Amino acid sequence: QKEVEQDPGPLSVPEGAIVSLNCTYSNSAFQYFMWYRQYSRKGPELLMYTYSSGNKEDGRFTAQVDKSSKYISLFIRDSQPSDSATYLCATLTGGGNKLTFGTGTQLKVEL
Amino acid sequence: DVKVTQSSRYLVKRTGEKVFLECVQDMDHENMFWYRQDPGLGLRLIYFSYDVKMKEKGDIPEGYSVSREKKERFSLILESASTNQTSMYLCASSISDQRGSLHFGNGTRLTVT
Repeated sequence: QKEVEQDPGPLSVPEGAIVSLNCTYSNSAFQYFMWYRQYSRKGPELLMYTYSSGNKEDGRFTAQVDKSSKYISLFIRDSQPSDSATYLCATLTGGGNKLTFGTGTQLKVEL
Repeated sequence: DVKVTQSSRYLVKRTGEKVFLECVQDMDHENMFWYRQDPGLGLRLIYFSYDVKMKEKGDIPEGYSVSREKKERFSLILESASTNQTSMYLCASSISDQRGSLHFGNGTRLTVT
């Protein structure tokens, strides 16, 4: 079993839809949770960085962590074609240097 | 803005060749990383370095080595390239107190024939 599981998609939604992207993890030692966005032929870029359970909002993006369920989510409101990319969740232990990535979910937002 | 530059965008090498992938970052970051990215397998850590001349194995170090002689430069070496090392290779850097915030280069697509 992988330490971080993520549905690969692809996920196709119409412009303006609310998108929900999800990951589950198995290691209770993970304390930091990240979402990266990767456009085609580019390296991943950090989108959201959270610590412990709860919500964090940044513009149209909300990251949610439920440590009791070991479940992390990224919500995108009013999705735009420019949001079309692969979204990777990532986790990190408290004292570690090594991120553990999900395999990524490919999102396409259609006009 | 942090810039992480990988020397080659595309590389084609023959089986058995020694291959060097170079990465340079311009923001004085302590940590540097080499990942490979494969469909269905995601990003897997090969090696990382938290200081000059320091290195630690990641999850899949077999068949690879690294060199970090200067803080800004981190090289990945394939001692004898094999076809199963055909992949996208991504370099990243971070500062020590923001370990989850990686800055990635745009990758090197390596094909071993």
